[in-house]
Amino acid sequence: GAGVSQSPSNKVTEKGKDVELRCDPISGHTALYWYRQSLGQGLEFLIYFQGNSAPDKSGLPSDRFSAERTGGSVSTLTIQRTQQEDSAVYLCASSLGGQGAVNYGYTFGSGTRLTVV
Amino acid sequence: AQSVTQLGSHVSVSEGALVLLRCNYSSSVPPYLFWYVQYPNQGLQLLLKYTSAATLVKGINGFEAEFKKSETSFHLTKPSAHMSDAAEYFCAVSSNTGNQFYFGTGTSLTVIP
Repeated sequence: GAGVSQSPSNKVTEKGKDVELRCDPISGHTALYWYRQSLGQGLEFLIYFQGNSAPDKSGLPSDRFSAERTGGSVSTLTIQRTQQEDSAVYLCASSLGGQGAVNYGYTFGSGTRLTVV
Repeated sequence: AQSVTQLGSHVSVSEGALVLLRCNYSSSVPPYLFWYVQYPNQGLQLLLKYTSAATLVKGINGFEAEFKKSETSFHLTKPSAHMSDAAEYFCAVSSNTGNQFYFGTGTSLTVIP
């Protein structure tokens, strides 16, 4: 597609439920990133996928968080047993891999605003 | 380790006045530096980037930034603020692998008519 598409744009869930957030990157972008944006705390790196390499999961805050990327394209971020502190905007970005990310930067989606009540 | 610090979480300027948003970086390797802008309910949009070419970088919407190695700074400026510049601005640093960008906490710019 023309841009990075994220769905849903808003999600309200009850504490303890599981949620899935979807990201559809720009066609041809081999790198995909998930960030979490909490109020007043900037962007927190969660996970990075590059081609067929093992993902960099170093930013995932707990084992309740997981992500996968099927076929090198669409990615799903799953949060199990959601907690109120999980409430945030979850941003997905894609880029040409490696040096391409540096040369051209990331392209971000509009995010999914997650509210855990 | 790489990080960026944005001084001032909120900045207010009058329409037509100079915009100055501060960013200092910490990097153990030559950095690649970026400024992104986020309008309400939107994702982040690349404003400009420094990738070891010219130290004065010009971006979109009349913004520019100067890389100053001696001061480890990459401040964002615009000579004359416009109402449409009101947004959140993020500074970011990356290594040359591009594997991960480290973002600052953001500066919210308000433009007063």
